[in-house]
Amino acid sequence: AQSVTQLDSQVPVFEEAPVELRCNYSSSVSVYLFWYVQYPNQGLQLLLKYLSGSTLVKGINGFEAEFNKSQTSFHLRKPSVHISDTAEYFCAVSASGHTNAGKSTFGDGTTLTVKP
Amino acid sequence: NAGVTQTPKFRVLKTGQSMTLLCAQDMNHEYMYWYRQDPGMGLRLIHYSVGEGTTAKGEVPDGYNVSRLKKQNFLLGLESAAPSQTSVYFCASRRVFDYNEQFFGPGTRLTVL
Repeated sequence: AQSVTQLDSQVPVFEEAPVELRCNYSSSVSVYLFWYVQYPNQGLQLLLKYLSGSTLVKGINGFEAEFNKSQTSFHLRKPSVHISDTAEYFCAVSASGHTNAGKSTFGDGTTLTVKP
Repeated sequence: NAGVTQTPKFRVLKTGQSMTLLCAQDMNHEYMYWYRQDPGMGLRLIHYSVGEGTTAKGEVPDGYNVSRLKKQNFLLGLESAAPSQTSVYFCASRRVFDYNEQFFGPGTRLTVL
Protein backbone atom coordinates (compact mmCIF):
# COMPACT_ATOMS: atom_id res chain seq x y z
CA ALA A 1 0.00 0.00 0.00
CA GLN A 2 1.09 3.56 -0.61
CA SER A 3 0.32 6.85 1.07
CA VAL A 4 0.94 10.47 0.20
CA THR A 5 1.29 13.47 2.46
CA GLN A 6 1.19 16.97 1.09
CA LEU A 7 2.76 19.05 3.81
CA ASP A 8 1.02 22.35 3.06
CA SER A 9 -2.71 22.69 2.52
CA GLN A 10 -2.42 26.30 1.35
CA VAL A 11 0.49 28.23 -0.11
CA PRO A 12 0.06 31.95 -0.78
CA VAL A 13 2.78 33.61 -2.82
CA PHE A 14 3.31 36.83 -4.71
CA GLU A 15 3.55 36.92 -8.47
CA GLU A 16 7.07 36.29 -9.85
CA ALA A 17 8.24 34.75 -6.57
CA PRO A 18 9.52 31.16 -6.43
CA VAL A 19 7.36 28.44 -4.95
CA GLU A 20 7.82 24.93 -3.60
CA LEU A 21 4.96 22.54 -2.90
CA ARG A 22 6.03 19.66 -0.71
CA CYS A 23 5.06 16.01 -1.07
CA ASN A 24 6.21 13.00 0.91
CA TYR A 25 5.20 9.45 0.17
CA SER A 26 5.52 6.00 1.66
CA SER A 27 5.54 2.69 -0.14
CA SER A 28 6.93 -0.79 0.31
CA VAL A 29 7.52 -1.15 -3.45
CA SER A 30 9.00 0.92 -6.24
CA VAL A 31 6.74 3.73 -7.31
CA TYR A 32 5.83 6.14 -10.02
CA LEU A 33 5.18 9.70 -8.85
CA PHE A 34 2.94 12.36 -10.33
CA TRP A 35 1.89 15.94 -9.88
CA TYR A 36 -1.52 16.98 -11.19
CA VAL A 37 -3.03 20.46 -11.35
CA GLN A 38 -6.70 21.29 -11.01
CA TYR A 39 -7.91 24.70 -12.12
CA PRO A 40 -11.23 25.94 -10.68
CA ASN A 41 -14.22 23.89 -11.81
CA GLN A 42 -12.09 21.60 -13.97
CA GLY A 43 -10.72 18.08 -13.84
CA LEU A 44 -7.12 17.18 -13.06
CA GLN A 45 -4.35 17.58 -15.62
CA LEU A 46 -0.95 15.95 -15.47
CA LEU A 47 1.89 18.42 -14.73
CA LEU A 48 4.76 15.96 -14.65
CA LYS A 49 5.71 12.44 -13.69
CA TYR A 50 8.68 10.50 -12.42
CA LEU A 51 9.03 6.98 -13.73
CA SER A 52 12.76 6.25 -13.48
CA GLY A 53 16.13 7.71 -14.39
CA SER A 54 16.98 11.34 -13.76
CA THR A 55 15.63 12.50 -10.43
CA LEU A 56 14.85 15.97 -11.75
CA VAL A 57 11.82 15.98 -13.98
CA LYS A 58 10.44 18.89 -15.92
CA GLY A 59 6.80 19.41 -16.69
CA ILE A 60 4.48 21.82 -18.35
CA ASN A 61 4.14 25.51 -17.51
CA GLY A 62 7.71 25.78 -16.17
CA PHE A 63 7.23 23.40 -13.24
CA GLU A 64 9.80 20.85 -12.17
CA ALA A 65 10.04 18.29 -9.40
CA GLU A 66 12.84 16.38 -7.77
CA PHE A 67 12.57 12.78 -6.66
CA ASN A 68 14.50 12.06 -3.48
CA LYS A 69 14.42 8.37 -2.70
CA SER A 70 16.24 8.59 0.63
CA GLN A 71 13.81 11.22 1.91
CA THR A 72 10.83 9.71 0.07
CA SER A 73 9.91 13.11 -1.26
CA PHE A 74 8.79 14.56 -4.56
CA HIS A 75 8.62 18.33 -4.15
CA LEU A 76 7.27 20.56 -6.90
CA ARG A 77 8.99 23.84 -7.73
CA LYS A 78 8.65 26.82 -10.01
CA PRO A 79 11.20 29.65 -10.05
CA SER A 80 8.71 32.40 -10.89
CA VAL A 81 4.94 32.01 -10.59
CA HIS A 82 2.18 33.77 -12.48
CA ILE A 83 -1.35 34.66 -11.51
CA SER A 84 -2.52 31.91 -13.85
CA ASP A 85 -0.76 29.29 -11.68
CA THR A 86 -3.43 29.76 -9.02
CA ALA A 87 -4.93 26.29 -8.69
CA GLU A 88 -4.99 23.17 -6.56
CA TYR A 89 -2.08 20.79 -6.92
CA PHE A 90 -2.18 17.08 -6.17
CA CYS A 91 0.72 14.72 -5.61
CA ALA A 92 0.02 11.07 -6.46
CA VAL A 93 1.85 7.77 -6.22
CA SER A 94 1.29 4.39 -7.79
CA ALA A 95 3.15 1.11 -7.73
CA SER A 96 5.53 0.85 -10.66
CA GLY A 97 5.06 -1.73 -13.34
CA HIS A 98 1.72 -3.12 -14.33
CA THR A 99 0.38 -4.23 -10.99
CA ASN A 100 -2.48 -3.14 -8.80
CA ALA A 101 -4.58 -2.02 -11.81
CA GLY A 102 -2.48 1.14 -12.04
CA LYS A 103 -4.34 2.66 -9.13
CA SER A 104 -2.96 5.92 -7.81
CA THR A 105 -3.12 7.25 -4.29
CA PHE A 106 -3.60 11.00 -4.12
CA GLY A 107 -2.59 13.51 -1.50
CA ASP A 108 -5.10 15.89 -0.01
CA GLY A 109 -4.03 18.72 -2.28
CA THR A 110 -2.26 22.06 -1.91
CA THR A 111 -4.02 25.25 -2.87
CA LEU A 112 -1.57 27.65 -4.50
CA THR A 113 -2.76 31.25 -4.53
CA VAL A 114 -0.67 33.72 -6.49
CA LYS A 115 -1.25 37.32 -5.48
CA PRO A 116 -0.40 40.38 -7.61
CA ASN B 1 -10.82 13.49 -29.49
CA ALA B 2 -13.20 14.53 -26.76
CA GLY B 3 -11.09 12.68 -24.16
CA VAL B 4 -13.07 11.84 -21.03
CA THR B 5 -16.57 13.27 -20.75
CA GLN B 6 -19.01 13.13 -17.85
CA THR B 7 -22.78 13.51 -17.78
CA PRO B 8 -24.38 15.41 -16.10
CA LYS B 9 -22.22 18.33 -14.96
CA PHE B 10 -24.48 19.22 -12.04
CA ARG B 11 -27.29 17.46 -10.22
CA VAL B 12 -29.36 18.02 -7.10
CA LEU B 13 -31.06 15.01 -5.52
CA LYS B 14 -33.29 14.49 -2.55
CA THR B 15 -32.35 11.91 0.07
CA GLY B 16 -33.40 8.46 -1.10
CA GLN B 17 -33.47 9.23 -4.80
CA SER B 18 -31.35 7.29 -7.25
CA MET B 19 -29.29 8.38 -10.20
CA THR B 20 -26.61 7.27 -12.63
CA LEU B 21 -23.51 9.19 -13.62
CA LEU B 22 -22.10 8.45 -17.05
CA CYS B 23 -18.43 8.52 -17.98
CA ALA B 24 -17.35 8.08 -21.58
CA GLN B 25 -13.88 8.00 -23.11
CA ASP B 26 -12.89 7.87 -26.76
CA MET B 27 -9.22 6.96 -26.27
CA ASN B 28 -9.73 3.18 -26.23
CA HIS B 29 -8.41 3.00 -22.68
CA GLU B 30 -8.67 -0.27 -20.84
CA TYR B 31 -8.77 1.04 -17.27
CA MET B 32 -11.39 3.38 -15.86
CA TYR B 33 -11.89 4.82 -12.39
CA TRP B 34 -14.49 6.72 -10.36
CA TYR B 35 -13.32 9.10 -7.62
CA ARG B 36 -15.02 11.46 -5.27
CA GLN B 37 -13.42 14.71 -4.21
CA ASP B 38 -14.27 16.34 -0.91
CA PRO B 39 -12.69 19.48 0.56
CA GLY B 40 -9.38 18.74 2.24
CA MET B 41 -9.58 15.04 1.44
CA GLY B 42 -8.10 14.80 -2.02
CA LEU B 43 -9.46 12.14 -4.35
CA ARG B 44 -10.77 8.86 -3.01
CA LEU B 45 -11.30 5.88 -5.28
CA ILE B 46 -14.85 4.54 -5.31
CA HIS B 47 -14.73 1.76 -7.93
CA TYR B 48 -12.57 0.89 -10.87
CA SER B 49 -12.56 -1.34 -13.93
CA VAL B 50 -9.70 -3.03 -15.73
CA GLY B 51 -11.76 -3.95 -18.76
CA GLU B 52 -15.17 -4.40 -20.29
CA GLY B 53 -17.42 -6.45 -18.03
CA THR B 54 -15.15 -6.24 -14.97
CA THR B 55 -15.37 -3.95 -11.96
CA ALA B 56 -13.77 -3.83 -8.51
CA LYS B 57 -14.18 -1.92 -5.27
CA GLY B 58 -11.94 0.94 -4.35
CA GLU B 59 -11.42 2.73 -1.09
CA VAL B 60 -14.98 4.03 -0.50
CA PRO B 61 -17.45 1.79 -2.41
CA ASP B 62 -20.38 1.72 0.01
CA GLY B 63 -23.59 3.18 -1.41
CA TYR B 64 -22.38 3.03 -5.01
CA ASN B 65 -22.58 0.52 -7.82
CA VAL B 66 -20.86 0.51 -11.19
CA SER B 67 -21.11 -1.17 -14.55
CA ARG B 68 -18.82 -1.38 -17.57
CA LEU B 69 -20.90 -2.99 -20.29
CA LYS B 70 -18.96 -1.25 -23.05
CA LYS B 71 -15.25 -0.49 -23.06
CA GLN B 72 -15.79 3.22 -23.58
CA ASN B 73 -18.40 3.72 -20.84
CA PHE B 74 -18.24 3.45 -17.08
CA LEU B 75 -21.44 4.12 -15.12
CA LEU B 76 -21.66 5.05 -11.46
CA GLY B 77 -24.98 4.48 -9.71
CA LEU B 78 -26.32 5.79 -6.45
CA GLU B 79 -29.11 3.50 -5.31
CA SER B 80 -30.47 5.61 -2.45
CA ALA B 81 -28.71 8.95 -2.21
CA ALA B 82 -27.63 10.30 1.18
CA PRO B 83 -26.37 13.78 2.14
CA SER B 84 -22.94 12.22 2.80
CA GLN B 85 -22.71 11.56 -0.94
CA THR B 86 -22.70 15.27 -1.69
CA SER B 87 -19.40 15.63 -3.52
CA VAL B 88 -17.69 16.23 -6.82
CA TYR B 89 -17.28 13.02 -8.79
CA PHE B 90 -14.46 12.51 -11.26
CA CYS B 91 -14.00 9.79 -13.79
CA ALA B 92 -10.56 8.90 -15.15
CA SER B 93 -9.13 6.46 -17.64
CA ARG B 94 -5.75 5.18 -18.79
CA ARG B 95 -4.09 2.70 -21.11
CA VAL B 96 -2.84 -0.45 -19.49
CA PHE B 97 0.76 0.12 -20.61
CA ASP B 98 0.93 3.87 -20.05
CA TYR B 99 2.87 4.17 -16.79
CA ASN B 100 -0.23 4.82 -14.77
CA GLU B 101 -0.92 8.36 -16.00
CA GLN B 102 -4.65 8.97 -15.71
CA PHE B 103 -6.81 11.23 -17.87
CA PHE B 104 -9.63 12.95 -16.02
CA GLY B 105 -13.08 14.14 -16.95
CA PRO B 106 -14.39 17.59 -15.95
CA GLY B 107 -16.37 16.31 -12.98
CA THR B 108 -19.98 16.08 -11.83
CA ARG B 109 -21.05 18.22 -8.90
CA LEU B 110 -23.73 16.36 -6.92
CA THR B 111 -25.73 17.80 -4.05
CA VAL B 112 -27.99 15.57 -1.96
CA LEU B 113 -30.52 17.44 0.15
